[in-house]
Parts: sequence; structure tokens; C-alpha cells
Amino acid sequence: QVQLVQSGAEVKNPGASLTISCKTSAFDFTTNFMHWVRQARGQGLEWIGLVSPWGEVAGYPPELQGRVRLTRDTSTSTFYMELSNLRPDDTATYYCSRDVLDWGQGTLLTVSS
Amino acid sequence: DIQMTQSPSSLSASVGDRVIITCRASQDIGNDLQWYQQKPGKTPERLIFGARYLDTWAPSRFSGSGSGTEFTLTISSLQPEDFAVYYCLQHNHKVYTFGPGTRVDFK
Repeated sequence: QVQLVQSGAEVKNPGASLTISCKTSAFDFTTNFMHWVRQARGQGLEWIGLVSPWGEVAGYPPELQGRVRLTRDTSTSTFYMELSNLRPDDTATYYCSRDVLDWGQGTLLTVSS
Repeated sequence: DIQMTQSPSSLSASVGDRVIITCRASQDIGNDLQWYQQKPGKTPERLIFGARYLDTWAPSRFSGSGSGTEFTLTISSLQPEDFAVYYCLQHNHKVYTFGPGTRVDFK
């Protein structure tokens, strides 16, 4: 069974950067897509992007263009989401998700001065 | 990018009611639509894929239909455990899009 374990909660100042990790087990790098989704408290789901089995990255809503970067390290079965120039409206819980089926536990990011 | 809308944004219903939620896409997405249920404090759970195929773990009272730009999720007889928020997700292009969600609560 696939397991996705994300890094812990973060508190950042506006303008800072962060990286969230998602360590996987039983993830099939030849067939599975890794998605990233965020959800502000009490709000809906926002799809951020994906990493394909062949390493292609797609996605990035307009408000994240130029600020987000998705990567993976197949040697450690870990995926990463880097978000820069943080803004208060980036405050949300961030999820990694295999094929939008199995989900990590979520990483709460709070951006506040 | 493809935009998704859902209606209604919320509804109140009673146990046993038939509930219909609509999702519309800004352009033709074929059958590339999934439906999710999310309960408070939980991650979303997929119910429907390919617009109309029920996931094996989803109760048979859930059904999906539609194609192109208009889709529906139907709950044939609402159960207490169905009170939740429902989202559609299009995956027709490399950029996926969630609908804004429909909250189903108790009348």
C-alpha cells in the first residue's frame, strides 16, 4: 500500500521560501503521477501541479507561476514542492497525492509577519 | 485554462433525499472528470472516475453522468455519512482543475 509522509508544519514570514517534502513508499515511479494540492482553512481544493512518471512537471495556477517548483528524487523516493516569495494568502494545508487517490497527511503552512 | 463551476454551492437535505450536484466545464473535457467527497478534517476521497465509473469502495447510491461540459453527481438516497463537501476535478489537459465544491448539510 502506498504511503506518503510529508514534512512538518511551517511558519514563515512574507517573502520567505520553503520546501515541503513528501516521502513515499510503494510508489511506482514508472506509472504513478504525484500531484500537489492545497487547501486554505475552510476553503476549497486548489490543484497546484504534478510530476509525471517520466519526470515532466505540469501545472501551476496563475497565482503560483514563477514561485513554485516541483521536483523529485527517485533515489530516496521523495518529492518536493518549493514555494518562494511567500504571501499571506499562501497560508494553507499542502498535500501530496498519488494519482489524486492516496494522500499525504498534509503540511500546514502559515505565512505571517 | 479550463474553469470549473459547481451548482449549487451548498444545499440542505434530509436522510433519504435524492441529491443532484452539477459541475460545468468552460470547454469540452470529454469524460475526464472525477468526483470527490471530503469530510471535515479528512483528505478527499474519490467516488467517481471517467465521469460515470464508480470506485470499488464507493457506495452504489452514488452515480455520475454527463460528458463534454456538463456533469452530474447523484446520491440516490442520502445517508447520514454523506453529509460532506463534494468536488469535481477535470483532468482533460495537463493542468487539472477542481470545482469550487458543494456543501451538503442536514436540513
